Amino acid sequence: NAGVTQTPKFQVLKTGQSMTLQCAQDMNHNSMYWYRQDPGMGLRLIYYSASEGTTDKGEVPNGYNVSRLNKREFSLRLESAAPSQTSVYFCATARQMNTGELFFGEGSRLTVL
Amino acid sequence: AQTVTQSQPEMSVQEAETVTLSCTYDTSESDYYLFWYKQPPSRQMILVIRQEAYKQQNATENRFSVNFQKAAKSFSLKISDSQLGDAAMYFCAYRRGNDMRFGAGTRLTVKP
Repeated sequence: NAGVTQTPKFQVLKTGQSMTLQCAQDMNHNSMYWYRQDPGMGLRLIYYSASEGTTDKGEVPNGYNVSRLNKREFSLRLESAAPSQTSVYFCATARQMNTGELFFGEGSRLTVL
Repeated sequence: AQTVTQSQPEMSVQEAETVTLSCTYDTSESDYYLFWYKQPPSRQMILVIRQEAYKQQNATENRFSVNFQKAAKSFSLKISDSQLGDAAMYFCAYRRGNDMRFGAGTRLTVKP
C-alpha cells in the first residue's frame, strides 16, 4: 500500500523551463493538496482539490497550475520556473475536506537555477 | 487569515527527559482541528497527535500528549521519556475546512 506517491523526488530546472510534479494516491481520499515548504516558513498551501473535477487556489498560487486528472491523481505544473520557486513540494490527501488529518507524500525537491 | 506561531525555533532535551514544544494560533472560529506533525531528516511528514477543538480532554498518544487551552489559543506538545528517534522538526497545524495552516516549526535535538 503506497499511500501518496510523488514524482520526481528531485529536479533541477533552469529559469523559464516548465515541468509537472505528479501525485497519485491509493487511499481513496476525496481531497488533495499541494504545499511548498521553505526554511523558516513551514508549509504553505498552493492549490487544493476538494473532490474530482474541482480545484481552488490556496495561499500562494501564483506561478502554478494544477489538474485533478481523476480521483487518484493531482498534478502541479510550473509553466515558467523562477528561482523563487526553489522549494520542497508536498502532495497531501484527506478523506474529506473539513475533517481530519492530512496524509503526505515524501516530497519533491525542486531547484531552479 | 488564521496564523500559527511556534516561538521556539530550536529545542534540545536529554534522552529520557521530558520536553514541551509551544504553539499558539489565531482564530475567530470555535470548531477546528489542531495537529502536531513530525518531520525527520527523511522529509516525510508524520502525524504525531490530533485534537478536536470541541473536545475538552487533552489528546494523548503513548509518550506524546498535548495541553490544549482553547481560550488562550494555545496547543503545546509534551514528549515524555524522550528518545533519540524523536529528533526531528515538529510542526503545529490548524485546520478548519479547506484551510490548513502550519507553524514555522521547532527543531528538536535529543542528546544521548
